[in-house]
Amino acid sequence: DAMVIQNPRYQVTQFGKPVTLSCSQTLNHNVMYWYQQKSSQAPKLLFHYYDKDFNNEADTPDNFQSRRPNTSFCFLDIRSPGLGDAAMYLCATSRDGDGETQYFGPGTRLLVL
Amino acid sequence: GENVEQHPSTLSVQEGDSAVIKCTYSDSASNYFPWYKQELGKRPQLIIDIRSNVGEKKDQRIAVTLNKTAKHFSLHITETQPEDSAVYFCAGGGGSNYKLTFGKGTLLTVNP
Repeated sequence: DAMVIQNPRYQVTQFGKPVTLSCSQTLNHNVMYWYQQKSSQAPKLLFHYYDKDFNNEADTPDNFQSRRPNTSFCFLDIRSPGLGDAAMYLCATSRDGDGETQYFGPGTRLLVL
Repeated sequence: GENVEQHPSTLSVQEGDSAVIKCTYSDSASNYFPWYKQELGKRPQLIIDIRSNVGEKKDQRIAVTLNKTAKHFSLHITETQPEDSAVYFCAGGGGSNYKLTFGKGTLLTVNP
């Protein structure tokens, strides 16, 4: 029944050690989003894919990159995690994006030591 | 781009009372306004949404109203219960892009 799946649920990494978070969806939605959410804050959009078209937010650090090898999967790569990157990372999908409901995955909580 | 303001940031009510959370938006092209509930450590869950072609939508104890002219929309929860305690986010989107812009959230506490 799971629609948007994120792995792992918890990730511990060391300062500067690359880490990859994954998201998969069974909804066959065109749009996939990555959000960063810090404690007591709203989700902050990092980037999104409409199909294979990548859209980066202007204030997303270069340290964050993404890959979408197919419709079902999307990855978030953090090249050199800093302490400030510790957060919950949420993946979401929507069917077409324009005025469509976004469905969130359970999130991956990243801890940087 | 879109800017969504949400008030209040915290709201405490007694069980059984009503709760109202208000949001304003800036982009007149926005046409989709969802509300998400997020419990501690969990994902945001859609609880209700409204599109710009209607002024009000209701689902049991939850209702949302939209005033396009004034560019504001509100969430109304009646007969609140302790399990309604959570952070609620409003958002605006649609129009010319695929993004949602979120308000900063309201921490609702329902006291038994």
